[in-house]
Amino acid sequence: GENVGLHLPTLSVQEGDNSIINCAYSNSASDYFIWYKQESGKGPQFIIDIRSNMDKRQGQRVTVLLNKTVKHLSLQIAATQPGDSAVYFCAESQYGGATNKLIFGTGTLLAVQP
Amino acid sequence: NAGVTQTPKFRILKIGQSMTLQCTQDMNHNYMYWYRQDPGMGLKLIYYSVGAGITDKGEVPNGYNVSRSTTEDFPLRLELAAPSQTSVYFCATLGGYSTDTQYFGPGTRLTVL
Repeated sequence: GENVGLHLPTLSVQEGDNSIINCAYSNSASDYFIWYKQESGKGPQFIIDIRSNMDKRQGQRVTVLLNKTVKHLSLQIAATQPGDSAVYFCAESQYGGATNKLIFGTGTLLAVQP
Repeated sequence: NAGVTQTPKFRILKIGQSMTLQCTQDMNHNYMYWYRQDPGMGLKLIYYSVGAGITDKGEVPNGYNVSRSTTEDFPLRLELAAPSQTSVYFCATLGGYSTDTQYFGPGTRLTVL
């Protein structure tokens, strides 16, 4: 579908708190999901990925949770730091399938207050 | 290992002009993508390729063309530039299920006047 609205959802957190960024994906056939971080003026940077045969995956200070029943993905950032301030995008794909389109969600702006 | 490189970084075009945005990767990734990102918005898929010689349309292909003659290169062509094509263009690759195999290029900022 088309993006609506001209601004991104914003999550404002205090430094040191945990952040949870949510994403609803659209395609039930998607089996591979990625979270990206985009700082102002830069390209998206890979954070963590997960395949549909898992419901949780942990990285360094980040955890991705996948709920296939409700087509929901979340990114948890522990002990949020000012350097985490950025726009976060989730992306979905059908990994290894006939089409490997990588489709992005709208994005969430994370603002970390010192 | 340079990852994904894009040229040029910036470009200003006049309406009706044409240009090619270059994207090159040195990771031997099969999947490559072109996105555009308008201010304050997410990324929209223009074209993608699952390997050399294979390309397909994304969400917003009108006004663009691509080719994939080699694994490394995936150029994006604008034939008749329009103001609506003013955007930041990102090239990306997808190599596999691992923490170090997803890359975006630095982007090309295009303005059409």
